[in-house]
Amino acid sequence: NAGVMQNPRHLVRRRGQEARLRCSPMKGHSHVYWYRQLPEEGLKFMVYLQKENIIDESGMPKERFSAEFPKEGPSILRIQQVVRGDSAAYFCASSPSEETQYFGPGTRLLVL
Amino acid sequence: AQSVTQLDSQVPVFEEAPVELRCNYSSSVSVYLFWYVQYPNQGLQLLLKYLSGSTLVESINGFEAEFNKSQTSFHLRKPSVHISDTAEYFCAVSKRRDYKLSFGAGTTVTVRA
Repeated sequence: NAGVMQNPRHLVRRRGQEARLRCSPMKGHSHVYWYRQLPEEGLKFMVYLQKENIIDESGMPKERFSAEFPKEGPSILRIQQVVRGDSAAYFCASSPSEETQYFGPGTRLLVL
Repeated sequence: AQSVTQLDSQVPVFEEAPVELRCNYSSSVSVYLFWYVQYPNQGLQLLLKYLSGSTLVESINGFEAEFNKSQTSFHLRKPSVHISDTAEYFCAVSKRRDYKLSFGAGTTVTVRA
């Protein structure tokens, strides 16, 4: 039973480019969450999605960030026009219900 | 909203010595509590959790944590650490039946021979 998968594991972008981060939840999990980990800090909640629905995006920056979880395929976290402050590790988690979340290995984004 | 405080940012410890990582939380409602471990350049792995029932919970690799409601704490302990326990440990809390995890800043455990 494969765990939560994220790709790419490392992503380098120049300022102004777009970053697309992908997350495939564990089999049977219909709840997906995205968290961001800034250097020297704990993880901060960004968004919670179920298939084709955004349930809670209260932790998402108001501009440039968007997330989706389509009926088919992985969940995508998209960051437009990246800036240096977006450099962080982005973790995806999934769960079968709103209880225990299982995390992927993360995508480490570096903005040059 | 909940908040989580991990009182120690760095904990150096010798192999086979005991270790305790402290975690305190604040919440006005009942909570679920979790400890996650992050090995270098890897994702978070669930170490153990408290949802209900016995206040003492154990992991398969010798860690245990005790939920203390009166002190709003969920400290993590291991009686004898191994080199392989070197990692960062995160305490997290969510409101019961809520999905949003609030994390502490993490405690880095370095085990030396």
